[in-house]
Amino acid sequence: GAVVSQHPSWVICKSGTSVKIECRSLDFQATTMFWYRQFPKQSLMLMATSNEGSKATYEQGVEKDKFLINHASLTLSTLTVTSAHPEDSSFYICSARESGLGPTFHFGNGTRLTVT
Amino acid sequence: ELKVEQNPLFLSMQEGKNYTIYCNYSTTSDRLYWYRQDPGKSLESLFVLLSNGAVKQEGRLMASLDTKARLSTLHITAAVHDLSATYFCAVGPWKDSGYALNFGKGTSLLVTP
Repeated sequence: GAVVSQHPSWVICKSGTSVKIECRSLDFQATTMFWYRQFPKQSLMLMATSNEGSKATYEQGVEKDKFLINHASLTLSTLTVTSAHPEDSSFYICSARESGLGPTFHFGNGTRLTVT
Repeated sequence: ELKVEQNPLFLSMQEGKNYTIYCNYSTTSDRLYWYRQDPGKSLESLFVLLSNGAVKQEGRLMASLDTKARLSTLHITAAVHDLSATYFCAVGPWKDSGYALNFGKGTSLLVTP
């Protein structure tokens, strides 16, 4: 079945540094991918919609200059957390939408980001 | 603003019992998704409901959709400990870029002996 690969699974970085998270669709083409953020014991909050070959669409309240999204190909989207701060520590999950009946949304395994 | 409301948010139930989780949403949508999340893990797809009156069953879980009432239910039959997890419903309204998912707050289910 369709698989979405997300890397890294976890990352610890120092405050002020940048972190890049990759999301790949392994056996299907995903023109649209999504980035979610989840705090402990809370729901998934949609941060942005990533469209191949165009600018991402950010949800209200999400800083586009802080969370840089690039969707350079039909199988890869990246999220870069720039100048990370402790409050950016969270669980980030990507999702890729597969066209067809549904459509179907496939989720990566998530990235646990800890900023010290 | 789309709202997706689940209740209950926390549920502790004994093995063997039945219970229903409810998901209400505030905008027109003809498709609804249910996911399961184990602690520290990502989401596992349970059901995709694509039309009014849709009912799907997998093992001890059964999901239904009433688009007119904007309500979906996830029914648990004869619960077992392995069902302990957090369950999310999500609605996929159409956006300019196509369907996107908005999640409820989740129902944390604990099944006890």
